[in-house]
Amino acid sequence: KNEVEQSPQNLTAQEGEFITINCSYSVGISALHWLQQHPGGGIVSLFMLSSGKKKHGRLIATINIQEKHSSLHITASHPRDSAVYICAVFGGTGNQFYFGTGTSLTVIP
Amino acid sequence: KAGVTQTPRYLIKTRGQQVTLSCSPISGHRSVSWYQQTPGQGLQFLFEYFSETQRNKGNFPGRFSGRQFSNSRSEMNVSTLELGDSALYLCASSPLDQHETQYFGPGTRLLVL
Repeated sequence: KNEVEQSPQNLTAQEGEFITINCSYSVGISALHWLQQHPGGGIVSLFMLSSGKKKHGRLIATINIQEKHSSLHITASHPRDSAVYICAVFGGTGNQFYFGTGTSLTVIP
Repeated sequence: KAGVTQTPRYLIKTRGQQVTLSCSPISGHRSVSWYQQTPGQGLQFLFEYFSETQRNKGNFPGRFSGRQFSNSRSEMNVSTLELGDSALYLCASSPLDQHETQYFGPGTRLLVL
């Protein structure tokens, strides 16, 4: 049983397209994180959310606590956005991080 | 501030051996967490340390252990290595609580032969 489900698993987009990655979770949480992982392994935290919406540059993250759902949007996508995006929630019975399997994004020039 | 550092970056071991990985958190950060990443299972939480105490633990066997020193540096140890322990081991730090923004190190890539 996966506490966190992400969709789609893979995504290919043309440069400039609007992209949405979805995350659903099944446990009670105190925070939801969106992470970015580039080839080579390095992980960067993009957002931490407990409610509402956050924006950073071309990235927007939203969360609906009642529906246990979050979305990550990338506006005007660029090849440098190509990476794996991972949704992580903190909570559950173990009061720990649970991770989605990631969405591999490729943006073609 | 320097980021999270991990040593070594790459490691090759054989089954049955043990291994120790090291993590230095961002200066001032007191919470250090360890994660395992494999192609099959993705990212999984191993444990979290705060003020030299293990505060939380994921669902891994007792072969996986760790500790934290008074300067917040942390080590994790895996004994009796198995082929399935081949993975990227990531360390992350945060100022106080694990649920805060995590700052990840580059990882140690372990290959067990």
